[in-house]
Amino acid sequence: NAGVTQTPKFQVLKTGQSMTLQCAQDMNHNSMYWYRQDPGMGLRLIYYSASEGTTDKGEVPNGYNVSRLNKREFSLRLESAAPSQTSVYFCASRWDRGNTEAFFGQGTRLTVV
Amino acid sequence: KNEVEQSPQNLTAQEGEFITINCSYSVGISALHWLQQHPGGGIVSLFMLSSGKKKHGRLIATINIQEKHSSLHITASHPRDSAVYICAVRSKPGGSEKLVFGKGTKLTVNP
Repeated sequence: NAGVTQTPKFQVLKTGQSMTLQCAQDMNHNSMYWYRQDPGMGLRLIYYSASEGTTDKGEVPNGYNVSRLNKREFSLRLESAAPSQTSVYFCASRWDRGNTEAFFGQGTRLTVV
Repeated sequence: KNEVEQSPQNLTAQEGEFITINCSYSVGISALHWLQQHPGGGIVSLFMLSSGKKKHGRLIATINIQEKHSSLHITASHPRDSAVYICAVRSKPGGSEKLVFGKGTKLTVNP
């Protein structure tokens, strides 16, 4: 019963470094999402994937790339990290037929210095 | 104006009190979610509503589609209920479905 698993939980990067946040779900969900959460703001959608092999931009995609490797995994890549990308990142997934709830990972707290 | 507004932003209560958190939205929706986030923790789905009322233990969620308003109630509140409660609505602008989140209500329940 792992649900949605995100790694790492914490990361500190220097400006300009790159990294990939990993997300995997074991619920056979079609749709997967990456959000960022910043103080005083609601969660904002970075990218989403409606199915394996497809990805679409969300509200705040600049500075990020994603890859839907297979049905289970959806990764988020920062090619050249900037301090503005300091945030808490959440991965989520859901079965997209009808009204179904979304399941969230534990979050990745990223600090870019 | 945000599409999803929550009130209050912060709420402090004494153990045992009845808690109400409100959520108003301005778009047509297919469903509304209430989520819970403990400090430093992940996000857990509490309820998903498209009409009426749902109850789970001491938590009750209601929605009024005509008034575009939902409430989350906690009866007999306990310090372990201290968390941020987030309202999110599922809408389909232009055919692509998305979740829009409120900023959250931070609840502190003191013993």
